[in-house]
Amino acid sequence: QQPVQSPQAVILREGEDAVINCSSSKALYSVHWYRQKHGEAPVFLMILLKGGEQKGHEKISASFNEKKQQSSLYLTASQLSYSGTYFCGTAAPLRNDYKLSFGAGTTVTVRA
Amino acid sequence: ETGVTQTPRHLVMGMTNKKSLKCEQHLGHNAMYWYKQSAKKPLELMFVYSLEERVENNSVPSRFSPECPNSSHLFLHLHTLQPEDSALYLCASSQDPTRGGYGYTFGSGTRLTVV
Repeated sequence: QQPVQSPQAVILREGEDAVINCSSSKALYSVHWYRQKHGEAPVFLMILLKGGEQKGHEKISASFNEKKQQSSLYLTASQLSYSGTYFCGTAAPLRNDYKLSFGAGTTVTVRA
Repeated sequence: ETGVTQTPRHLVMGMTNKKSLKCEQHLGHNAMYWYKQSAKKPLELMFVYSLEERVENNSVPSRFSPECPNSSHLFLHLHTLQPEDSALYLCASSQDPTRGGYGYTFGSGTRLTVV
């Protein structure tokens, strides 16, 4: 089952902060975050492997609450380059591989 | 260049045509995937190949036929498609299929239009 992301879209001015949430009705083994710019491939940002873990990529960070089956992505002091669609992916084991299911995405627009 | 190359970038085909999408990676990854991306919808997993063996066919219609001749190449053969199959088809690869700790590397996709 696919995770649910919120909000669907957010508009920011440069320097503002935003939070994107990802929740699942199933147990999360790991959470991935990707960003896709228009006409380009989704780009891997980070992966969180266990509850309580936090990671950062530039001024983008994420947390993972295993008990609540939720992850949040934090955009801090946003830059124009942060514009794009952000997807969370939740992984579940599938035989010898991990099957990744994606949320519908959150479109972030950062304006000058 | 993301490390995963997809060709062609754009494809227009009639409903009676047969065409193939190609994906190539030289990252040493052991798993490859096909995803379908439609407007306003989540990425849909279609097929998974792990160590060249198909481990997932996510209820995909038989008009889509995958092929993985080796760990570096993945194909998606298309025949008698429907207009609702028009979408962006993304290929991805990952490093170690036995562990969930590695991110996926995506190609730029093939924009498919069925007329």
